[in-house]
Amino acid sequence: QKEVEQDPGPLSVPEGAIVSLNCTYSNSAFQYFMWYRQYSRKGPELLMYTYSSGNKEDGRFTAQVDKSSKYISLFIRDSQPSDSATYLCAMSADLETSYDKVIFGPGTSLSVIP
Amino acid sequence: AAGVIQSPRHLIKEKRETATLKCYPIPRHDTVYWYQQGPGQDPQFLISFYEKMQSDKGSIPDRFSAQQFSDYHSELNMSSLELGDSALYFCASSPSGQGCSGELFFGEGSRLTVL
Repeated sequence: QKEVEQDPGPLSVPEGAIVSLNCTYSNSAFQYFMWYRQYSRKGPELLMYTYSSGNKEDGRFTAQVDKSSKYISLFIRDSQPSDSATYLCAMSADLETSYDKVIFGPGTSLSVIP
Repeated sequence: AAGVIQSPRHLIKEKRETATLKCYPIPRHDTVYWYQQGPGQDPQFLISFYEKMQSDKGSIPDRFSAQQFSDYHSELNMSSLELGDSALYFCASSPSGQGCSGELFFGEGSRLTVL
């Protein structure tokens, strides 16, 4: 079982729809949770970053973390064609004595249809 | 704003050849990470450096080596290339102390094709 699981999609929605992207994980040591957006042939771009449990909102994007369920979500409101990309969840542990690596999920491919 | 610069963007090599990828982090970022992303795969962590010292090691083959130089740029050296090494290689940087929190800034990647 991989440390981070994510439905690879592809997910296709009409413009203006609310998109829900999800990841589950198995390592309870994870404390930092991120969502990266990756356009085709480009490097991942940090979209949202949260620490521990709770919600974080930034414009049309909302990230949720439920550590008790080991489940994180990214919601995109009023989705736009420019949101079409692969969305990677990522997480890392909170280790004060070392710089731990960031573990990525496999990514969900999203297409927003005009 | 300055971003992470990777070179070359594209590289074609034959099996058993050697390749070197370069990464120039964002100014004042002292931590560099290398990731390998195969077709349709998530980025796999290879190795990281902090202040020119190796800080963590992931699934990097013994045929690969890397280092970070005094100007903080990093090079990934790959020898005895195999077909399976064909992938996008991403470099990411972060400012001191932020890397473990996941705030990585990625370059555009170097696409290696091994024939």
